[in-house]
Amino acid sequence: GDSVTQMEGPVTLSEEAFLTINCTYTATGYPSLFWYVQYPGEGLQLLLKATKADDKGSNKGFEATYRKETTSFHLEKGSVQVSDSAVYFCALSDSGSARQLTFGSGTQLTVLP
Amino acid sequence: GAVVSQHPSRVICKSGTSVKIECRSLDFQATTMFWYRQFPKQSLMLMATSNEGSKATYEQGVEKDKFLINHASLTLSTLTVTSAHPEDSSFYICSAPGSTYEQYFGPGTRLTVT
Repeated sequence: GDSVTQMEGPVTLSEEAFLTINCTYTATGYPSLFWYVQYPGEGLQLLLKATKADDKGSNKGFEATYRKETTSFHLEKGSVQVSDSAVYFCALSDSGSARQLTFGSGTQLTVLP
Repeated sequence: GAVVSQHPSRVICKSGTSVKIECRSLDFQATTMFWYRQFPKQSLMLMATSNEGSKATYEQGVEKDKFLINHASLTLSTLTVTSAHPEDSSFYICSAPGSTYEQYFGPGTRLTVT
């Protein structure tokens, strides 16, 4: 079945540091890939997505590129802010599964001022 | 963008009682909705797929008789936790697919069973 393996946290960075959260996936078809963010006490919000190989999703300074050859979708940001502190989830949606999502385990990010 | 609401946001109930959680798509129709459960500091675990006008599809290991799902209209799905026990305490989240390959999530319901 489909699965998502995500870098374990927690990750603690200083403000303006570079962020990478690794994500790799296993899927039988051609999935769409997502990063969701969950701020403390809130529900999940879509951060960015990519629906086919080599697509780059970007939003709020975050980027991730759909790499089919390495089955990866790593999240990056060049300069993190304190407000980026949250839990980040990598997820995939298999085209044959009525858009059901499979999530990674989540990575807690804390950015210190 | 599409909005999914959940009610209540927090609920505390006594062991042995039942609790109903509502999930609504506010500005779009959803023939399918998903119910997830999230334990502290863990990922979302899919519990069931709610289908409008038909029976829900439950994931392996999820008790159908304990977690009753009703998808009565194109904008409302409900999850009823029957005879709740402390181990049912968790964060319950619903989602609905959008017009493209996207999911819109509700803000979640924190259930505490005492």
